[in-house]
Amino acid sequence: DVVMTQTPVSLSVSLGGQTSISCRSSQSLVHSDGNTYLYWYLQKPGQSPQLLIYKVSNRFSGVPDRFSGSGSGTDFTLKISRVEPEDLGVYYCYQGTHYPWTFGGGTKLELK
Amino acid sequence: EVQLVESGGGLVQPGRSLKLSCAASGFTFSNYYMAWVRQAPKKGLEWVATISTSGSRTYYPDSVKGRFTISRDNAKSSLYLQMNSLKSEDTATYYCARMWEPHFDYWGQGVMVTVSS
Repeated sequence: DVVMTQTPVSLSVSLGGQTSISCRSSQSLVHSDGNTYLYWYLQKPGQSPQLLIYKVSNRFSGVPDRFSGSGSGTDFTLKISRVEPEDLGVYYCYQGTHYPWTFGGGTKLELK
Repeated sequence: EVQLVESGGGLVQPGRSLKLSCAASGFTFSNYYMAWVRQAPKKGLEWVATISTSGSRTYYPDSVKGRFTISRDNAKSSLYLQMNSLKSEDTATYYCARMWEPHFDYWGQGVMVTVSS
C-alpha cells in the first residue's frame, strides 16, 4: 500500500499568518494516464471531511484562494495564507492513484 | 444541494452483522460512483468500499474484503454497506461519500458503529 506521510503532525498559527503542510508518498503518484491523483481535505471539529484541493493544485468549488496546493511525484505541499478561524481543524492528504486508496495521518492546525 | 444521510449504525457484538444505508439527494445518483470511508475514534481516515454507477463493479481494501459488501439501488438513490463478521477494529464513524474520479467530493455527516461485547 502507498503510505502517505504528513508533516508536521500539529501546527500552531496566528490568525492572519501563513503556514504549510507537507505530504510525502511512498511511491510516485503519477498515474499511467498522466494525472497525479493527490487531494487535500479539511475536517473541521465535529464535521465530516471537506474537499479543498483536487489533483495537486486545483481548488474545489467555493474554496478561497488562500489555499494553494503544489508538488509532484512524491512530494506535495498545502499552503494556507491569511489564516482565518474557520481554517482550524485537521488536514488530510489523500492519493487516488494506487489501490488501495490511502490517506495521510493528518495535520492538526491550531491557533497560537 | 448535495445531501448524503447515513443511517443504521449502532452497537453490535463481535462476529455479528450490520447494514448501513445512505440516502442521497440533490444530484443524479445513478451518474456517480459512490463510496464508504471510515474513521476510527480519534484516528485518521480509511477508504472502505467503492461501487460503480450500475453496481456491477465493486472495490475494497484487504482489511474488509470478503466481510463487507457495498451495493446500491439507483431507483431509490440509496447506497448500502453490509458488514459481516464484525471485529472490534471495525469500530468507527462510517461516512457515505460521492465520488468524482478517484476521490470523494461530498460526504455525509457519518454514522457511528461500535463493535463490542
